Amino acid sequence: QVQLVQSGAEVKKPGASVKVSCKASGSTFTGSFVHWVRQAPGQGLEWMGIIYSSVGNAEYKQSFQGRITMTWDASTSTVYMELRSLTFEDTALYYCVRELAPNDYWFESWGQGTLVTVSS
Amino acid sequence: QSALTQPASVSGSPGQSITISCTGTYSDVGRYDYVSWYQRHPGKAPKVIIYGVSNRPSGVSDRFSGSKSGNTASLTISGLQAEDEADYFCTSYTTSRTYVFGTGTDVTVL
Repeated sequence: QVQLVQSGAEVKKPGASVKVSCKASGSTFTGSFVHWVRQAPGQGLEWMGIIYSSVGNAEYKQSFQGRITMTWDASTSTVYMELRSLTFEDTALYYCVRELAPNDYWFESWGQGTLVTVSS
Repeated sequence: QSALTQPASVSGSPGQSITISCTGTYSDVGRYDYVSWYQRHPGKAPKVIIYGVSNRPSGVSDRFSGSKSGNTASLTISGLQAEDEADYFCTSYTTSRTYVFGTGTDVTVL
């Protein structure tokens, strides 16, 4: 089974950007969809968007439109999620999640999570 | 899109069965058979235990089963074991082409 290995914890100031990486180990993302999900302290999980690795285009939850970008590097089988104009409310644990086959509609593998802390 | 509603906690004794509900709307749970369930132990990555309402991935114990009626999906754990103590959450695809998650349920084995 694939392992999704995410980059380490980040501390950012309000207004800054963060870029989190997610690398597939033991497999690739080719043919899969990759989602990003976050969980703020004491809150539930929130779906942020999806990148279609085969074509490289992405769709984002409306509330993140304009300040989020998901990209895919096929050469390293790594997916990236960049979130800009950070506020304190963006403090959360961010997960990358693989949907193994297109239109499975479920999440086959999860990364270990990357803690992003927004602090002045 | 509001979160799917789950009970905050459910408990049971070893060997018993427990059921966790996941209530949404006709825009998500009621509309599609794309409800999945995940188990998460503290500090670990979530693991899928049910997909497509009632399907178990390879390697998942048959003590876990799922069902759906109307806008409510359910996860049943039979023959409760100590290792089942974890956080469980559901998720559903929605008519907005997004996903919505459940509020999460802490399962305690007494």
